[in-house]
Amino acid sequence: KAGVTQTPRYLIKTRGQQVTLSCSPISGHRSVSWYQQTPGQGLQFLFEYFSETQRNKGNFPGRFSGRQFSNSRSEMNVSTLELGDSALYLCASSWTSGAPHLNTGELFFGEGSRLTVL
Amino acid sequence: QKEVEQDPGPLSVPEGAIVSLNCTYSNSAFQYFMWYRQYSRKGPELLMYTYSSGNKEDGRFTAQVDKSSKYISLFIRDSQPSDSATYLCAMSATIQGAQKLVFGQGTRLTINP
Repeated sequence: KAGVTQTPRYLIKTRGQQVTLSCSPISGHRSVSWYQQTPGQGLQFLFEYFSETQRNKGNFPGRFSGRQFSNSRSEMNVSTLELGDSALYLCASSWTSGAPHLNTGELFFGEGSRLTVL
Repeated sequence: QKEVEQDPGPLSVPEGAIVSLNCTYSNSAFQYFMWYRQYSRKGPELLMYTYSSGNKEDGRFTAQVDKSSKYISLFIRDSQPSDSATYLCAMSATIQGAQKLVFGQGTRLTINP
């Protein structure tokens, strides 16, 4: 069974540019979450999508956005990049139902997209 | 105050030692407790998963949850150099109809041969 696939693995951008990252979840997983990981802040939750709808959102500015397609694949976009956006962006998928109380929080992560903003 | 506190280390121990990694939390609603392991330049992988209080053992790894003290631990017996990684605790709960999942900062562990 293929794991979570993220592309691109590495990218370098300059301030003011925008970037789109892609994530293909494990087959059968309907939930996709995005996290930002930096040495100082650790793993910070960006948003979660379930059945093409954003179900949860973290405390990030509106420059960070995402979407999910009917095949559960997801993309996240960061517009007007800032130096502080340099980070490892991780996508995670999970088997989850539409009823939150049945979900345990087990996540399967991809290897991440490492973004450097110059 | 963070909802989940985890000592970031770094922690360095000799091969064969018993390692103890810990997290404390403040929200008593958390019911599911997880430990993830993250190797350098890789994504986190789920290592152990427990529900509510108690112990769970898997090979050299033991996860312990004490809900009364809001304290969770991961013990690694007979530690190996291949255990060198960052270990993140995580916990989840359903709050007001939405799932909440919170990660600790992660502890960087090095096992020296």
